[in-house]
Amino acid sequence: GAGVSQTPSNKVTEKGKYVELRCDPISGHTALYWYRQSLGQGPEFLIYFQGTGAADDSGLPNDRFFAVRPEGSVSTLKIQRTERGDSAVYLCASSLNGGGGTDTQYFGPGTRLTVL
Amino acid sequence: AQSVTQLDSQVPVFEEAPVELRCNYSSSVSVYLFWYVQYPNQGLQLLLKYLSGSTLVKGINGFEAEFNKSQTSFHLRKPSVHISDTAEYFCAVTLSNTGKLIFGQGTTLQVKP
Repeated sequence: GAGVSQTPSNKVTEKGKYVELRCDPISGHTALYWYRQSLGQGPEFLIYFQGTGAADDSGLPNDRFFAVRPEGSVSTLKIQRTERGDSAVYLCASSLNGGGGTDTQYFGPGTRLTVL
Repeated sequence: AQSVTQLDSQVPVFEEAPVELRCNYSSSVSVYLFWYVQYPNQGLQLLLKYLSGSTLVKGINGFEAEFNKSQTSFHLRKPSVHISDTAEYFCAVTLSNTGKLIFGQGTTLQVKP
């Protein structure tokens, strides 16, 4: 079956604009994760959904960042008033069950966000 | 808090030579350990994981890793590398009560002919 998909693959925006990044998880996966990867760094956790609810949003850097998963499948990461420091690759992953740490997370190809 | 340190940012090696990529972690509680690989222009792919049991874990593409609790290490090894192994490798940990992965900064493995 299809893997995790993310759209768009690239997004260029201007400072101060609003952006939405979309993630389609593997069908049937109940857990969904967002990470951010800056150049030369490892991925950094942002938020984790179990079903429709955010089980852990401790990685969101500030209130400009928000994510939703209204039907327990597709998720959207929303960034308001973008700043140049938000430029990074945003990765989405899904896993079958989530909850515990044993589940394998399957990653999408990422969305490269560039804020000019 | 948990943290992961990958001691080498770049590891150049000749084809068919053995390689070891080092990973150390810090945690006051038990963790699960993972190695992911990121090929150019591709998403992260799981190589192997340690959950419990045997400390020697075998993964895909001939890679293996050994969990050493006393040294808090989880080094990745391959006895003979190929050009196609050129990629970025990430070590990561997670706790038993969360799926949140904490990654190291990555090691670039460059295999030369």
